[in-house]
Amino acid sequence: DAKTTQPPSMDCAEGRAANLPCNHSTISGNEYVYWYRQIHSQGPQYIIHGLKNNETNEMASLIITEDRKSSTLILPHATLRDTAVYYCIVRVAGNYGGSQGNLIFGKGTKLSVKP
Amino acid sequence: DGGITQSPKYLFRKEGQNVTLSCEQNLNHDAMYWYRQDPGQGLRLIYYSQIVNDFQKGDIAEGYSVSREKKESFPLTVTSAQKNPTAFYLCATSVRGSGELFFGEGSRLTVL
Repeated sequence: DAKTTQPPSMDCAEGRAANLPCNHSTISGNEYVYWYRQIHSQGPQYIIHGLKNNETNEMASLIITEDRKSSTLILPHATLRDTAVYYCIVRVAGNYGGSQGNLIFGKGTKLSVKP
Repeated sequence: DGGITQSPKYLFRKEGQNVTLSCEQNLNHDAMYWYRQDPGQGLRLIYYSQIVNDFQKGDIAEGYSVSREKKESFPLTVTSAQKNPTAFYLCATSVRGSGELFFGEGSRLTVL
């Protein structure tokens, strides 16, 4: 079973920030938060991951609460091409060969960016 | 081009036939994965391999088989024992131990 909870869908206006929430209240101390997205009929694409500090890259920012029980993925200026399903996943770090290191993809949040 | 190549992109087969989906990578990644996706659902792990000549069952391995004879290749066979084989199949790779997976474009299998 997925260890995260995400809203099934969200809308965002083009050019505005998209804030996608994720609850992971049972996260363990050695588990990272990963975000992926999947544009229709394509393979998922890695976005970002973090442990406890906020992270930023060229695609997005990841804000993790201090108790690590929830996080938010921020797309600062959403475009129509950001319309996709966004998956939030928790994963044990550096697990070589064990099943705990495998990514479990739930249903994610379907983000629709509208003109 | 560097990346992951899945073939064929679309495949139609009659019920009861075995089908082999190809996944080739030139990223020099040790780990390779096969996922299945049904409409409106998330991805489910079928098999994974962390190193050549070794592979492990994922959550839904029944009715599937794999081999990992070369680092670059991880073919998936959908056997006639798989009850509902029609689905979108995704291959992925990663550096061993990493959670950053790189996915292919997928193979869509339809069993008639």
